Amino acid sequence: DTEVTQTPKHLVMGMTNKKSLKCEQHMGHRAMYWYKQKAKKPPELMFVYSYEKLSINESVPSRFSPECPNSSLLNLHLHALQPEDSALYLCASSQEGGDRVTGELFFGEGSRLTVL
Amino acid sequence: GESVGLHLPTLSVQEGDNSIINCAYSNSASDYFIWYKQESGKGPQFIIDIRSNMDKRQGQRVTVLLNKTVKHLSLQIAATQPGDSAVYFCAENDSGGSNYKLTFGKGTLLTVNP
Repeated sequence: DTEVTQTPKHLVMGMTNKKSLKCEQHMGHRAMYWYKQKAKKPPELMFVYSYEKLSINESVPSRFSPECPNSSLLNLHLHALQPEDSALYLCASSQEGGDRVTGELFFGEGSRLTVL
Repeated sequence: GESVGLHLPTLSVQEGDNSIINCAYSNSASDYFIWYKQESGKGPQFIIDIRSNMDKRQGQRVTVLLNKTVKHLSLQIAATQPGDSAVYFCAENDSGGSNYKLTFGKGTLLTVNP
């Protein structure tokens, strides 16, 4: 079982809807990530939060808005999405800091998003 | 731009055989590599990692080999089982750039035939 929990597992939304994806981890990790994965493709990095501050934004359209309320939670707010945004959205976390032992990312099961 | 790629997009093996999944990378500054397994409908799962100061690392039924001279990474799975059927991604990181940017290769679909 993954220690990174994502909700909802499935989401169907229209192009005018506003919805949010949620991610939670209790491993004490201080870095959290959002990845987007299209079918039969590798995960693509979207955002990275380090110590609850946005560290990396990979030129993601503003219709995707990340939020990190605290060190355990990561949200991705969705508004005015396009059908091509349909994908599996993966959350991940990792250890952080100069004493980081491993670069391993722990992934959640993902939220499968369908935009109609 | 530089990327991580795979020689074989699909691999089909018989149960009990050994599997070898290959990965070529082009960023000579990459110093950390991970193999992930992704089963259908699930998130990627860590298998094994290796740092650039090593050539080989072994886990349970898996071995990762790193050849820095030709920028090649491989994952060997011993006695492959049906539960090993999944997509396998190699990923690389240049910790001198950013510790957070893990770049994934294209993936190899491994199918294990009973």
